[in-house]
Amino acid sequence: QQQVKQSPQSLIVQKGGISIINCAYENTAFDYFPWYQQFPGKGPALLIAIRPDVSEKKEGRFTISFNKSAKQFSLHIMDSQPGDSATYFCAASGGDNFNKFYFGSGTKLNVKP
Amino acid sequence: DAGVTQSPTHLIKTRGQQVTLRCSPKSGHDTVSWYQQALGQGPQFIFQYYEEEERQRGNFPDRFSGHQFPNYSSELNVNALLLGDSALYLCASSFYGDDTQYFGPGTRLTVL
Repeated sequence: QQQVKQSPQSLIVQKGGISIINCAYENTAFDYFPWYQQFPGKGPALLIAIRPDVSEKKEGRFTISFNKSAKQFSLHIMDSQPGDSATYFCAASGGDNFNKFYFGSGTKLNVKP
Repeated sequence: DAGVTQSPTHLIKTRGQQVTLRCSPKSGHDTVSWYQQALGQGPQFIFQYYEEEERQRGNFPDRFSGHQFPNYSSELNVNALLLGDSALYLCASSFYGDDTQYFGPGTRLTVL
């Protein structure tokens, strides 16, 4: 059973537009939800993370929206730039899976100039 | 301050062989986790080491084993390699009890 489902698989956005990536999780014990950015040939880099006690967290152009009742969370990239072109992964951990992260399958973002 | 480092960068092995991958955590971190990332997929948790003991394990066979040294560095060993073991192997470090993990650049393993 896939613990974290991510969509879309790929995304094309014009420069200056908003990129939106969605994730859904199964385990209600999860209490930490990070997003990672990965460039080709590199390891994932932590972008932003949220806990269920807040519904939204913003850091610069990146915002996480969290819906606990729906067991969903999403990443919004405002004013998307060509340099944001990368693969984005959502993840979740918590409960018995403390420090054991379940990752989504990734979204390949292409921001057109 | 050096981040997470991994060696080697690339490795080519044949089926049935054994491989050892190495990881040095970010300065000060005491916990190391290993992940397998197949091409086009998200990382999958293999196991985590803290105080030289395996603390958590994912759904991987016993062919995958590890070790953590007193200086917190870690090794991942894979025995009896299969073609399906070809992947990017990622190491992540953290403080024990802290959710924030920092990933290394990975080791690309190809099994022929």
